[in-house]
Amino acid sequence: EAGVAQSPRYKIIEKRQSVAFWCNPISGHATLYWYQQILGQGPKLLIQFQNNGVVDDSQLPKDRFSAERLKGVDSTLKIQPAKLEDSAVYLCASAPGGPYNEQFFGPGTRLTVL
Amino acid sequence: KQEVTQIPAALSVPEGENLVLNCSFTDSAIYNLQWFRQDPGKGLTSLLLIQSSQREQTSGRLNASLDKSSGRSTLYIAASQPGDSATYLCAVRLLSSNTGKLIFGQGTTLQVKP
Repeated sequence: EAGVAQSPRYKIIEKRQSVAFWCNPISGHATLYWYQQILGQGPKLLIQFQNNGVVDDSQLPKDRFSAERLKGVDSTLKIQPAKLEDSAVYLCASAPGGPYNEQFFGPGTRLTVL
Repeated sequence: KQEVTQIPAALSVPEGENLVLNCSFTDSAIYNLQWFRQDPGKGLTSLLLIQSSQREQTSGRLNASLDKSSGRSTLYIAASQPGDSATYLCAVRLLSSNTGKLIFGQGTTLQVKP
């Protein structure tokens, strides 16, 4: 079974530029998560989708971050414009069925904002 | 607000030692607790998941215990090996959450020296 795929793996941008990350969850997984992990900290949930609907986006900085999950499969996370403090690893995870099932994580995208 | 703390932040031991990693949480009303491993540049791999009704879970050389009343969990690694070097994260799900959100600690970075 293929795991969660993410791209790109690394991205370096200047502040105020825009960037987008892509995630392909495990086939058939209804729940998809985006986490932000700042160096030295644990992951923090940014947004959670159940199929193509948003379940929790309470910690998503909506003035600059946006995410979508069209057709309930792939998802993209966008930052526009980026700030220095957005430098982090962005992890995507998916889970089968409901939100209390085990989450499977992708390798992450490391973003550096200069 | 649930807070998850892991002590120590970093640990270095010689190969063959038995070791204990600690995780504490402030809200004892949890649904379950999960231990993850994160290798540099990689995503998270689930190691053990303990339901709130359980006291411990074992997998190979790993044993995780849960004491909800004191808000603590420990991950015991027996006969450590250099391949165990990684960052270990614990995360809890709250009973009060209808989204099953994981709340992570900041992790313990383990180095096992040959």
